[in-house]
Amino acid sequence: GAGVSQTPSNKVTEKGKYVELRCDPISGHTALYWYRQSLGQGPEFLIYFQGTGAADDSGLPNDRFFAVRPEGSVSTLKIQRTERGDSAVYLCASSSGGPNAEAFFGQGTRLTVV
Amino acid sequence: ILNVEQSPQSLHVQEGDSTNFTCSFPSSNFYALHWYRWETAKSPEALFVMTLNGDEKKKGRISATLNTKEGYSYLYIKGSQPEDSATYLCAFNDYKLSFGAGTTVTVRA
Repeated sequence: GAGVSQTPSNKVTEKGKYVELRCDPISGHTALYWYRQSLGQGPEFLIYFQGTGAADDSGLPNDRFFAVRPEGSVSTLKIQRTERGDSAVYLCASSSGGPNAEAFFGQGTRLTVV
Repeated sequence: ILNVEQSPQSLHVQEGDSTNFTCSFPSSNFYALHWYRWETAKSPEALFVMTLNGDEKKKGRISATLNTKEGYSYLYIKGSQPEDSATYLCAFNDYKLSFGAGTTVTVRA
């Protein structure tokens, strides 16, 4: 596609449920990032992929969060046993890699845990 | 976790006035400093990627400067217009982007 696509755009789930958030990056972009944005704050880094591997997952808050990118393209962020504190906008971005490459963001998935 | 700070957190500007705000970042091991503009209900979009000390970049009425030795960057908006209302994010990139909390600019007509 022309840009970064995230699905779903909105997700409401009950506390304790499992959710998957999908990111389809720009074709050919090797770097993929997941961020979480809570009200009044800047995007908080979660995980960074270079190709298929997670180059840095230091931002994942706990072991309920996991992300994969099996073929080096589409990525899925998985959250187990959701908690109300997980409610946020989850942003995905991709770039061609390297510090000078600008990142292109998706529209985000707004997750609400009730 | 890299400490990237932006100030002020928010500001209100009268249409036609100029304004500026700051991003501070670690001055060691510098690679690149990014500025993004985030409008409500849209995705963040890149404004500038700055790599060299003393760099100045300009896009229309918006410009940015970079001082890597002291670890700060300024973003300037000249002759603010209502369409400039947005949150402006800076990000330090040492292979991953570490964002500041943003400066939210509201331009009043």
